[in-house]
Amino acid sequence: NAGVTQTPKFRVLKTGQSMTLLCAQDMNHEYMYWYRQDPGMGLRLIHYSVGEGTTAKGEVPDGYNVSRLKKQNFLLGLESAAPSQTSVYFCASRPQGDPSQPQHFGDGTRLSIL
Amino acid sequence: QKEVEQDPGPLSVPEGAIVSLNCTYSNSAFQYFMWYRQYSRKGPELLMYTYSSGNKEDGRFTAQVDKSSKYISLFIRDSQPSDSATYLCAMRVSTGNQFYFGTGTSLTVIP
Repeated sequence: NAGVTQTPKFRVLKTGQSMTLLCAQDMNHEYMYWYRQDPGMGLRLIHYSVGEGTTAKGEVPDGYNVSRLKKQNFLLGLESAAPSQTSVYFCASRPQGDPSQPQHFGDGTRLSIL
Repeated sequence: QKEVEQDPGPLSVPEGAIVSLNCTYSNSAFQYFMWYRQYSRKGPELLMYTYSSGNKEDGRFTAQVDKSSKYISLFIRDSQPSDSATYLCAMRVSTGNQFYFGTGTSLTVIP
């Protein structure tokens, strides 16, 4: 039972490069989320999805794009990486229906932009 | 003003001590309150969840919600070195899809 799996775990990019972070969940959850975690800032929501084919902006969406083509996968894209996007990125998922259900998190992707 | 405020610490206590962790919030519509524990280089994991006001106990952990004061607490009794982690509070409204997190409090329990 893998839960939420994030790929890759570490990555170093140069300014201006692009990349895609992959989040996969095997719990058949409807809702998926992308956060970034920075020292002193806590977890900030980038984008989220309430189902296959749907996405919505969170608190800090600028510079990121997302896609939810399959229910189990949620992709986060950086088109032109900037040093300000150096962070730890967490994906989370939760089921639909019961509003008390919490989020299940992956172990993060550590991204450095030089 | 951030929706959720949490003292980042760090907090250092001796083994066996009672630990009190707190968050305040500004949105009176928050109904669901959670505490997550995050070990170094890991994702947050749910520790406690409460709905509306009141207390909830699970082993050595007790969560309290005081909606009138917009204040939530997590108490850890008989703290252990394995409790050393960052503790994040989180909350949401009943109809919303977004969760709002505190910045986290770093806790170290010294053997």
